[in-house]
Amino acid sequence: SYELTQPPSVSVSPGQTARITCSGDTLPKKYAYWYQQKSGQAPVLVIYEDTKRPSGIPERFSGSSSGTMATLTISGAQVEDEGDYYCYSTDTSGNDRVFGGGTKLTVL
Amino acid sequence: EVQLVESGGNLVQPGGSLRLSCVASEFVLSGYEVNWVRQAPGKGLEWISYISGSGGTRYYADSVKGRFTISRDNAKNSVYLQMSGLRAEDTAVYYCARDQMIGASHTGALDIWGQGTMVTVSS
Repeated sequence: SYELTQPPSVSVSPGQTARITCSGDTLPKKYAYWYQQKSGQAPVLVIYEDTKRPSGIPERFSGSSSGTMATLTISGAQVEDEGDYYCYSTDTSGNDRVFGGGTKLTVL
Repeated sequence: EVQLVESGGNLVQPGGSLRLSCVASEFVLSGYEVNWVRQAPGKGLEWISYISGSGGTRYYADSVKGRFTISRDNAKNSVYLQMSGLRAEDTAVYYCARDQMIGASHTGALDIWGQGTMVTVSS
């Protein structure tokens, strides 16, 4: 089955730039999406179609994709950005969807 | 407020069955594709099923194929997940999530999520 690979954890100091990567063989052809999940809460969409930011998501969140890797960048990370981040995409058929394993972001 | 509300989670014995419901509020669900996503305690998100707006197309993750069935009743603004042959590894919070639409285009993103309903499979 198709897999997306993320680092288990990323740690930065407040105000620094956090980068979370997601690798997968179909990412050159399929969009990546990113979700933020805080403890005990439902996930929230922060980036869709590789680079687009939903309304209400702070400008410090941005996305990019090149080859088999998509990247979520948080420029000037804040303490409130701590949480788990998941990438999401589809297999080549577009039928099966998959989440990456998740990355725990610590900002301290 | 635009939202999805899940219900039906419970404690069930291995081999048992359960039906989860997902009801939409403040929007018409029939225009949207819907997914079920689960999260086992302390683990990551797992996509498990998708249904098109008409209900004519359905997909399942290998982990639930043949045991779970997704359906919808657009007259009731609802989507369901019928689960049978439940196993301990199905223990999780189950979320329903709406596929985002911008204008008439599907983006593939899950933009509205419910709060989740807990399913525990244990004897």
